[in-house]
Amino acid sequence: DTGVSQDPRHKITKRGQNVTFRCDPISEHNRLYWYRQTLGQGPEFLTYFQNEAQLEKSRLLSDRFSAERPKGSFSTLEIQRTEQGDSAMYLCASSRGGATNYGYTFGSGTRLTVV
Amino acid sequence: AQSVTQPDIHITVSEGASLELRCNYSYGATPYLFWYVQSPGQGLQLLLKYFSGDTLVQGIKGFEAEFKRSQSSFNLRKPSVHWSDAAEYFCAVGAWGGGADGLTFGKGTHLIIQP
Repeated sequence: DTGVSQDPRHKITKRGQNVTFRCDPISEHNRLYWYRQTLGQGPEFLTYFQNEAQLEKSRLLSDRFSAERPKGSFSTLEIQRTEQGDSAMYLCASSRGGATNYGYTFGSGTRLTVV
Repeated sequence: AQSVTQPDIHITVSEGASLELRCNYSYGATPYLFWYVQSPGQGLQLLLKYFSGDTLVQGIKGFEAEFKRSQSSFNLRKPSVHWSDAAEYFCAVGAWGGGADGLTFGKGTHLIIQP
């Protein structure tokens, strides 16, 4: 069990550029979640997958955001045409079964800074 | 929709003293409740969770929490804090049913330990 891995740890990008983050969950976990955390706030739910199916998306996930989990293993989160308001920590978590039953295991996050 | 309130943004405690962090939730059904801890620049680590049964829950690192339905509270306690406990603490409530599987987090309480 190597935990949840996220790459990169930090990303600085210019406004208007596209960025993509990767998350590798714990191998036996079938559920994968993306959260966003801004300074001084708790994490906010974005979306989650059960295997390769995206089962829920928050209203926070605008059209510029897209997440995939093509083979039910790793996941990517892409932000197109980044804005300064996208600057945040993007956290990935995984769970064996439902989070309400088991809780999450979080990764260390990707910190995005849009300049 | 569920919500979580952590009334204290910052708490300062002397090393060796007892600790209580407050959490109040709003949820229409039986809540699934969690406490997470986040060290600077890191992801979140699960301290403990409550689903049902005994209202006093034991977690890792010597933490415990008590679920009080009548007060809609799930306060976190530790009898004697250590300098390494300095971190951000988040309370969260879990959704259940209808395909929803996201946790709603409070804004966090920043714990400062003074020598």
